[in-house]
Amino acid sequence: KQEVTQIPAALSVPEGENLVLNCSFTDSAIYNLQWFRQDPGKGLTSLLLIQSSQREQTSGRLNASLDKSSGRSTLYIAASQPGDSATYLCAVNEGSGSRLTFGEGTQLTVNP
Amino acid sequence: GAVVSQHPSRVICKSGTSVKIECRSLDFQATTMFWYRQFPKQSLMLMATSNEGSKATYEQGVEKDKFLINHASLTLSTLTVTSAHPEDSSFYICSAPRTGGSLEAFFGQGTRLTVV
Repeated sequence: KQEVTQIPAALSVPEGENLVLNCSFTDSAIYNLQWFRQDPGKGLTSLLLIQSSQREQTSGRLNASLDKSSGRSTLYIAASQPGDSATYLCAVNEGSGSRLTFGEGTQLTVNP
Repeated sequence: GAVVSQHPSRVICKSGTSVKIECRSLDFQATTMFWYRQFPKQSLMLMATSNEGSKATYEQGVEKDKFLINHASLTLSTLTVTSAHPEDSSFYICSAPRTGGSLEAFFGQGTRLTVV
């Protein structure tokens, strides 16, 4: 059974810092991996999708990497801003119809 | 803009009543949709897979008679929480994969259910 772990569980940084969120998964036979953002009481916003054949994806200040063989992904946020404060979730898709297995999330607080 | 729409966003109901939540794919057809539940401070857990034209597939520990799923069209799936109890209070969210290769999952806005 696939298990997804995210470290750290919570992170508080001053504005402007670069930061890295970590995600690991136990079964490397994945189809893709997605990073999401969730604001309190809200739904999920897809940030980046990495296919199993890809190594990384970039969108603006966000960069996600994938090392499928070692079961790891990282989300790099450059020049963090208070508006980045949210919970970040990673989820793996093992290809069986796009059902996702989620990590517990990292709660990020960026202080002005 | 949103590609998956979920309604209502919030609902408060009395214990023992039933609540229906709708999930619609807006600009694509979804033969499969997924229903997740999220308790406070926890991550999303898959409840069931909704299949258009056939019975839903439920995850272990999820009561199919309590959480009724109907996927009558290629753009609409509904989740009905029957005889709701306070312990059913949670955040329910649906997703649908866009077909065509990437299987990128798009999520609805979620429904905050409070049973009093």
